[in-house]
Amino acid sequence: GESVGLHLPTLSVQEGDNSIINCAYSNSASDYFIWYKQESGKGPQFIIDIRSNMDKRQGQRVTVLLNKTVKHLSLQIAATQPGDSAVYFCAEKRSGYALNFGKGTSLLVTP
Amino acid sequence: DGGITQSPKYLFRKEGQNVTLSCEQNLNHDAMYWYRQDPGQGLRLIYYSQIVNDFQKGDIAEGYSVSREKKESFPLTVTSAQKNPTAFYLCASSIDSGNYGYTFGSGTRLTVV
Repeated sequence: GESVGLHLPTLSVQEGDNSIINCAYSNSASDYFIWYKQESGKGPQFIIDIRSNMDKRQGQRVTVLLNKTVKHLSLQIAATQPGDSAVYFCAEKRSGYALNFGKGTSLLVTP
Repeated sequence: DGGITQSPKYLFRKEGQNVTLSCEQNLNHDAMYWYRQDPGQGLRLIYYSQIVNDFQKGDIAEGYSVSREKKESFPLTVTSAQKNPTAFYLCASSIDSGNYGYTFGSGTRLTVV
């Protein structure tokens, strides 16, 4: 399948700062993307999604930006809290009926 | 509460043995999925099922088998043909195969001893 990758494997931010997690994808035909959060020892949880006909989508404290020109999406977390510490995955809809996941970025929030 | 349950949480297997990982959901979801996660890696698709009595191979199906006899259940068997089975296995479900808001289980950590 097509690759979905992340620029940085780890990200350390101070509590209260904003976090930006980046993701690059290779399939220009991808039309749907999702961000998941995975806490240690648990399954991933849905955060936010975006379709390719959008450039930006906002949720509660999170924003996803999609740049189709350079095949890049990012997840922005406002006022990062200790509970945001986790591994974040971007995923794209693949051909067929399933998702392709990236390798993940580990976010560490320090006091 | 509706959800998806994987059992057991930890599983130890001797080389040459088959083991079956359980995945049950009471969300009335049509589609179910199995992913494998290795340390520092993303999730890789093993098998998925869009509907009862139907399933398709994912990217790494070799050495694995599944069944989907009931809507609620999608067990994964790790056979002795899987040469490197030690991993974290995640089961997920979605309303249907066109919906990608997956609900994941808490995972089963399989270790070969």
